[in-house]
Formats: sequence, C-alpha cells, structure tokens
Amino acid sequence: DTEVTQTPKHLVMGMTNKKSLKCEQHMGHRAMYWYKQKAKKPPELMFVYSYEKLSINESVPSRFSPECPNSSLLNLHLHALQPEDSALYLCASSLDATGLNSPLHFGNGTRLTVT
Amino acid sequence: GNSVTQMEGPVTLSEEAFLTINCTYTATGYPSLFWYVQYPGEGLQLLLKATKADDKGSNKGFEATYRKETTSFHLEKGSVQVSDSAVYFCALNSGGSNYKLTFGKGTLLTVNP
Repeated sequence: DTEVTQTPKHLVMGMTNKKSLKCEQHMGHRAMYWYKQKAKKPPELMFVYSYEKLSINESVPSRFSPECPNSSLLNLHLHALQPEDSALYLCASSLDATGLNSPLHFGNGTRLTVT
Repeated sequence: GNSVTQMEGPVTLSEEAFLTINCTYTATGYPSLFWYVQYPGEGLQLLLKATKADDKGSNKGFEATYRKETTSFHLEKGSVQVSDSAVYFCALNSGGSNYKLTFGKGTLLTVNP
C-alpha cells in the first residue's frame, strides 16, 4: 500500500467545471510535489512545495492552482481545463527538498479526463 | 543540463530469463541515481538507489551499480517473474536547494509465463 494517498482515483470533468485533486501523507515529509504523466511518458514536474511554501512552478498554466494547507496535505485546484490536460496526476512527497538522500514517494495518482 | 538515456522498449522476456535495462546519464556534480518502477494502474515506486560512485543498490532481486567512469546505472535481475511486468524509469537528482528529478523515458518490460 502506498503511503501517499490521492483522491479521487478517477475524475471526469467538463471544460467549464471547477474541481480539486487531493493528496495526503503522514510520513512527516516536508516536501510535496505535483507531477503530470501522459501515457507512455515519464512524469513531468509541475509544482514543488517545501515547508508549505511553493518553491518551484514549472511554468504551469494558471488553470492549475496548487495549495498546501499544511505539511500533510496538498491540493490541486482545476478550472477551465482543456482536453489536452487529460492525464494521470501524481502527487509525491520526500523528507526534504534537497533530494540527495530523500527519494520521492508517489501516490497512485488521479486519472483525469477533460471532456 | 542533466539528462538520462535508457534503452527503448518494449522488452519482452520469458519467465526466469536474465534482465538488463541500460541507463546512462549526463549530470553536473555528483548525482544520486534511482530506478523507479510503475506497475499498471499505479504510481511510481522507488525500486533502488545509489548515492555515490561504486554503490550498488538492490531490492527484490534487482541490482544496479553506480559507475562513474562509464556514467551508467544499468538495472539487472537474474531471473524475472511475470509479476515484474511494469515500466521501469531510470532517474537522477543532482541535489541543490530545489529538488528536481530527471527521468529517462521509461522501458516497458513484459514477462511471459
């Protein structure tokens, strides 16, 4: 069982909808991440939070809005998405953001379909 | 910049065959190296890691040795099982104040009974 929990597992939304993806970890990790993965491709980094502050935004369109309410929770708010945004969205966490001895722990992802 | 090159798949093997998936990298400094595995319908799981030259990472019968002289981190397993069917990603991180993992493109492994 993964120690990073993502909800929902599947989400279908229209282009005018507003929805949120949720991620939770209780390992005491202080860095949390959102990745986007298209079929047959490696994950692409979207956002990194370190100690609840946004430290990396990989030029993600503003229709994706991350939020880190506390050190255990990470949300991704979605609004006015496009069909090409359909993908698997993965949350990950690590002990800290340096990564040298702190590998990522991934959740099982939310499969998002935009219609 | 950093980059990871791994052998393109798909790789199809019979059960109990020997597995090698090649991975080479380009990086500044002294990166940490990882193999992640993604089973169908799941997220990525860390399979093994190595943080310095000549380190050998191992887990579940898989091994990889950090070779600085050849900038390689090839994944091997002596006898694969059907349950090893998955996508394998080689990755590196060169550290710093912000964490950014560089992934290879992934190799799909299918093991037939």
